[in-house]
Amino acid sequence: DQQVKQNSPSLSVQEGRISILNCDYTNSMFDYFLWYKKYPAEGPTFLISISSIKDKNEDGRFTVFLNKSAKHLSLHIVPSQPGDSAVYFCAASASNNDMRFGAGTRLTVKP
Amino acid sequence: ETGVTQSPTHLIKTRGQQVTLRCSSQSGHNTVSWYQQALGQGPQFIFQYYREEENGRGNFPPRFSGLQFPNYSSELNVNALELDDSALYLCASSAVGLGSRSGYTFGSGTRLTVV
Repeated sequence: DQQVKQNSPSLSVQEGRISILNCDYTNSMFDYFLWYKKYPAEGPTFLISISSIKDKNEDGRFTVFLNKSAKHLSLHIVPSQPGDSAVYFCAASASNNDMRFGAGTRLTVKP
Repeated sequence: ETGVTQSPTHLIKTRGQQVTLRCSSQSGHNTVSWYQQALGQGPQFIFQYYREEENGRGNFPPRFSGLQFPNYSSELNVNALELDDSALYLCASSAVGLGSRSGYTFGSGTRLTVV
C-alpha cells in the first residue's frame, strides 16, 4: 500500500530559481514528515522535518509546508543551486519505528 | 563521530541461498532500522531493532530476520533468496524517540543481486 506518494519522478529548474517538490499521503495518523536527499552511491541524507501540529518549517534555503486537510506537503528550495541536484524522498512516520517513503523525485538544477 | 557503515557493499548470491548483511550504527545511536530499496522505488521498511529486540516490522516474510548486538550493531539475514530480493539494502540508525524529528542516519547500503 502506497501511503506516501511522489507523483513527479523528475523536476528540472534553472539555477537561482525556486524548486518545489511535492508529496501526498493517505494515512491521517502520520505525525512527522521528513525530506531526505540522496546522491548516487550514498544513503539518503536527512534534510528537514515537520511535525503534524505545524504548517511550516524553515531551515536556510529549505522550507517544508504541510497542508493536513489536503494531506499534502511540499519542499521549497530557494535559490536552487547545481549542488542540489539529487533524488529527494518524502517520508512520513506514525510512530518512531515505521517510516514510509515515497518513490522519490529526481531534481536537476541547471547552471 | 563515525556514521553508519554497512558491509559488504556489493554481493551476488544464487537463488535459494542465505545472506547476512551487517551494519554498524552511528556513535550514540541505539536504534537500527533496515530498509529495502528496489530500483526506481523508495526505501521500504523491513524492521527496526531497539535494545536487541525487534521493535516494529514492515510487510516482509519471516525469512527476513535480524539481530541487534549489545554495541548496537545489527545484522539482516535473508533465507531462501528469491530473484525479487535483488535490491539495495539500507541500514539506518537513530537515538530512540528522535528518529522522526531529526531523521535517521543512513549507511550507503549493500547492493544484493540474486541470480
